[in-house]
Amino acid sequence: QLQLQESGPGLVKPSETLSLTCTVSGGSISSSSYYWGWIRQPPGKGLEWIGSIYYSGSTYYNPSLKSRVTISVDTSKNQFSLKLSSVTAADTAVYYCRLAARLPPFPFDYWGQGTLVTVSS
Amino acid sequence: EIVLTQSPGTLSLSPGERATLSCRASQSVSSSYLAWYQQKPGQAPRLLIYGASSRATGIPDRFSGSGSGTDFTLTISRLEPEDFAVYYCQQYGSSPPVYTFGQGTKLEIK
Repeated sequence: QLQLQESGPGLVKPSETLSLTCTVSGGSISSSSYYWGWIRQPPGKGLEWIGSIYYSGSTYYNPSLKSRVTISVDTSKNQFSLKLSSVTAADTAVYYCRLAARLPPFPFDYWGQGTLVTVSS
Repeated sequence: EIVLTQSPGTLSLSPGERATLSCRASQSVSSSYLAWYQQKPGQAPRLLIYGASSRATGIPDRFSGSGSGTDFTLTISRLEPEDFAVYYCQQYGSSPPVYTFGQGTKLEIK
């Protein structure tokens, strides 16, 4: 059973870059059967997909965040990461990492417990 | 961009009752690309249904999904106390591969 854990600063200043890492345990993430991604949830609101990265190295981002987001993966460390630049208070949210089946109908996924990131000076 | 609209926003029911949650897409969605999630306070979402109608591993058979095209439904046949939560539908758009969530339906105890 794979387990995911997000880590990173819980407080980021406006205009700075938010950086989070997702560490996976219980198995190797190095498989073309998976993709890895990030989703966020502002306090009291719904889920917003941020982006995904595939085994091939291809990345896809939410068009509303595309100019500020970078997702990368380090299979040797069983980790993948999120960077979101030029943050504002609107980026305050619980950030979840997700590892999921790559091919339809996407029969499984694993989520981290989430980490709250607050953007404030 | 496909928009998912869930209804109702809040559903108030009693344990033992049947719950019917709707997810409507602004364009036709392949059934293979439609999923339902359950989220309880302070927890990550949990995959309930994938491919519009297949239950994920470990999901009780009181949960069922149906629908096609633009209209999808999550049904909980007999509500248990632990089923009161927020439910989200999610669709995958293949070109480019992006994901979209509905705004959620809160299922609360009446």
